[in-house]
Amino acid sequence: EVQLVESGGGLVQPGGSLRLSCAGSGFNLGSHAMSWVRQAPGKGLEWVSTISGNGVNTYYADSVVKGRFTISRDNSKNTLYLQMNSLRADDTAVYYCVRDLLEWVTLDYWGQGTLVTVSS
Amino acid sequence: SSELTQDPAVSVALGQTVRITCQGDSLRSYFASWYQQKPGQAPVFVIFGEKNRPSGTPDRFSASTSGNTASLTITGVQAEDEAEYYCNCRHSSGNHWVFGGGTKLTVL
Repeated sequence: EVQLVESGGGLVQPGGSLRLSCAGSGFNLGSHAMSWVRQAPGKGLEWVSTISGNGVNTYYADSVVKGRFTISRDNSKNTLYLQMNSLRADDTAVYYCVRDLLEWVTLDYWGQGTLVTVSS
Repeated sequence: SSELTQDPAVSVALGQTVRITCQGDSLRSYFASWYQQKPGQAPVFVIFGEKNRPSGTPDRFSASTSGNTASLTITGVQAEDEAEYYCNCRHSSGNHWVFGGGTKLTVL
């Protein structure tokens, strides 16, 4: 059974940093591109970033990230990461780790999400 | 604002058929995927393109595309289908995902 389990969310002050992790199981993470999608409270889904299966190529929603976030992966640990710096109040959201079935085809498995709250 | 446009809300009587639509220029180039999200839960992949359903999706869910509009059709709606539905696809300009704003489906 494919499972994605996020961790690392929490309360952080504006300007602070967090690193989210996503542990995959039931499949070979390295065979899939992986994405982060976020959802602000009461709002819709918003794509944040995607990384290719081998980690060579990374893509970001520039309007969201603006150089503040970095996606990475460690396929030997079956784990995906999102380093978030210079956090702002409008980054407050549930962050979902998502598997790309095939790169840019569809997003077939979603984690349960981890809540990031940016507030003083 | 979303680059894919969905009606914010749709209602349907139990057992009837409902169509949820998604519009955007990227749909002229790429197939849409649809996701179901119930309150307090993560989104769940429902269908991609016109026929690609995961094993857990009932066959009452179908999809189609015409021009810049993708549609999700639920035939014989059940009470458990009440949820928010999101469309998404690859952006036509490059390596980005885009999402619709979501449609809240109410089953009467």
